Amino acid sequence: SQQGEEDPQALSIQEGENATMNCSYKTSINNLQWYRQNSGRGLVHLILIRSNEREKHSGRLRVTLDTSKKSSSLLITASRAADTASYFCATDAAGTALIFGKGTTLSVSS
Amino acid sequence: ETGVTQTPRHLVMGMTNKKSLKCEQHLGHNAMYWYKQSAKKPLELMFVYSLEERVENNSVPSRFSPECPNSSHLFLHLHTLQPEDSALYLCASSLYAGTSGKEAFFGPGTRLTVL
Repeated sequence: SQQGEEDPQALSIQEGENATMNCSYKTSINNLQWYRQNSGRGLVHLILIRSNEREKHSGRLRVTLDTSKKSSSLLITASRAADTASYFCATDAAGTALIFGKGTTLSVSS
Repeated sequence: ETGVTQTPRHLVMGMTNKKSLKCEQHLGHNAMYWYKQSAKKPLELMFVYSLEERVENNSVPSRFSPECPNSSHLFLHLHTLQPEDSALYLCASSLYAGTSGKEAFFGPGTRLTVL
């Protein structure tokens, strides 16, 4: 069953702008992860945030987690054309494996 | 390169064919996974192997048969598939299965088309 739900489904921005994607989930988690997928390729891990953390940074990425609202956001600052991809949140609520949402498709135009 | 390879990258097969997808990881991980990604659907977890034992089977039709001969290799045997089985099949591995908080490493996927 689907655990994460990303919002928006699609996002189009200009280079240099910030991109914000949101993820909501249904059950308690130990951690939440964000992944990126270039068209037709495998997923690449971006960042992991644990349930006792509220914010985490990695380069141009900033992730927040609000366990009371069961939601997370991924902010990409100063977007580049190379950031064009689909972004997925994934949770470990299933126990043995990650469960992914439908993803947000980000398009960054130059 | 993530350390997880998949072959073939593309596969076209008829409904009566039998084929196999192969996944290999060079990361020393103990858990391996098969996911199915169809258009406009979330990634669907199909199978989980931990230390070469299947620990999860998400109500996958029997026309998909996994095999994990050792911790580095994972196969997905396909037979009498349906056109709706056309999708991108992704293999992944992680250090351990379960809620250990370890990231998953994905292969590039096999694009399967069933005619």
